[in-house]
Amino acid sequence: EVQLVQSGAEVKKPGESLKISCKGSGYSFTSYWIGWVRQMPGKGLEWMGIIYPGDSDTRYSPSFQGQVTISADKSISTAYLQWSSLKASDTAMYYCARTVVTATMDWYFDLWGRGTLVTVSS
Amino acid sequence: SYELTQPPSVSVSPGQTARITCSGDALPKKYAYWYQQKSGQAPVLVIYEDSKRPSGIPERFSGSSSGTMATLTISGAQVEDEADYYCYSTDSSGNLGVFGGGTKLTVL
Repeated sequence: EVQLVQSGAEVKKPGESLKISCKGSGYSFTSYWIGWVRQMPGKGLEWMGIIYPGDSDTRYSPSFQGQVTISADKSISTAYLQWSSLKASDTAMYYCARTVVTATMDWYFDLWGRGTLVTVSS
Repeated sequence: SYELTQPPSVSVSPGQTARITCSGDALPKKYAYWYQQKSGQAPVLVIYEDSKRPSGIPERFSGSSSGTMATLTISGAQVEDEADYYCYSTDSSGNLGVFGGGTKLTVL
């Protein structure tokens, strides 16, 4: 079965660091980009960035550049989203999604993980 | 920054046709995609490349795009189609993905 399995929910304090994961299975992990999407409570979807696990080429939304780090370990088919110092405003659901690149160089998500809920509270 | 604009809400009765629009300056050159997100669930792709339907998506879901506007149409909407719908595209540079603000579809 083709799927993305995300790590479990996290509760952290402001200032703490965090790394959440997304493991792909059932397909060639290095043949697709992996993207991350934020959804704050009661709000819409926000495109954070994408990574190509084959060579770790990464693109960030300007809104998230410098705020998070996207990485991948192709040897274990896993992508990561990392914070060095969490803020309360980072409280959200974070989804990873397999990314298709079209012939016209569009990117879109065709397969989603179930999400990781991150709660940051003192 | 690039924006895609959707109406906040659309309401129809069961069996009626629901249309959700999405406007964006780059849509004449970039494909539109549509995602359905039911309460408490991850999004699901329902339309890709303006008008193509992934396998497993019911035929009542269709998409079109003309000029700066893309449209998701649900013909004969059913109660189970109640969800938030998001359009998605890339900016003109092709380096940044963007979601619309989402449209809450009510079917009752």
